[in-house]
Amino acid sequence: AQSVTQLDSHVSVSEGTPVLLRCNYSSSYSPSLFWYVQHPNKGLQLLLKYTSAATLVKGINGFEAEFKKSETSFHLTKPSAHMSDAAEYFCVVSDRGAAGNKLTFGGGTRVLVKP
Amino acid sequence: NAGVTQTPKFQVLKTGQSMTLQCAQDMNHEYMSWYRQDPGMGLRLIHYSVGAGITDQGEVPNGYNVSRSTTEDFPLRLLSAAPSQTSVYFCASSYLRPGQRATEAFFGQGTRLTVV
Repeated sequence: AQSVTQLDSHVSVSEGTPVLLRCNYSSSYSPSLFWYVQHPNKGLQLLLKYTSAATLVKGINGFEAEFKKSETSFHLTKPSAHMSDAAEYFCVVSDRGAAGNKLTFGGGTRVLVKP
Repeated sequence: NAGVTQTPKFQVLKTGQSMTLQCAQDMNHEYMSWYRQDPGMGLRLIHYSVGAGITDQGEVPNGYNVSRSTTEDFPLRLLSAAPSQTSVYFCASSYLRPGQRATEAFFGQGTRLTVV
């Protein structure tokens, strides 16, 4: 079974300061891990993905995440927040398997960016 | 360049009514799925399909039916709407690589459903 825990339901940062969104996962197999972003009243957009190889993954808009198997973590970071980063972020895990790409979502972290 | 298209974007139903949420994708993806999004709970899987003619239940299937007659379409039917089904519904599709790591999913823009 797979599960995801996003450790913060809300994060508030000032514009220009670093952003850290924490995610821990549980997986029986070698997982794929994703971060998606959802702006208000919009669909979900892929920020970045980890599927194998490099453990430090770079995504769009300056975001990156590091896969740490020993800590079962996949935290999302950005060096300098921008007002447009205000959104909800979802950490997602999917096990390898013949049953297809079942995705398990974390509860989400809502990011507020203060000017 | 349509990707995943969901209709309608908004819908209000009365308790007991039925309706179908439409989902179509033009990327020839084998895997399609329906999620519902409720505050603080992320997205939860309702039903999914690994190809035409094959569907299966997800985490929260009660009150919903699906079918997959073509690769492109994956409609979600609410049989008798209840207030507990008030939610935002997302359809997603992705390539299927059995035995390999999952690939990214592409999402529609969502359907906001209110049951009164």
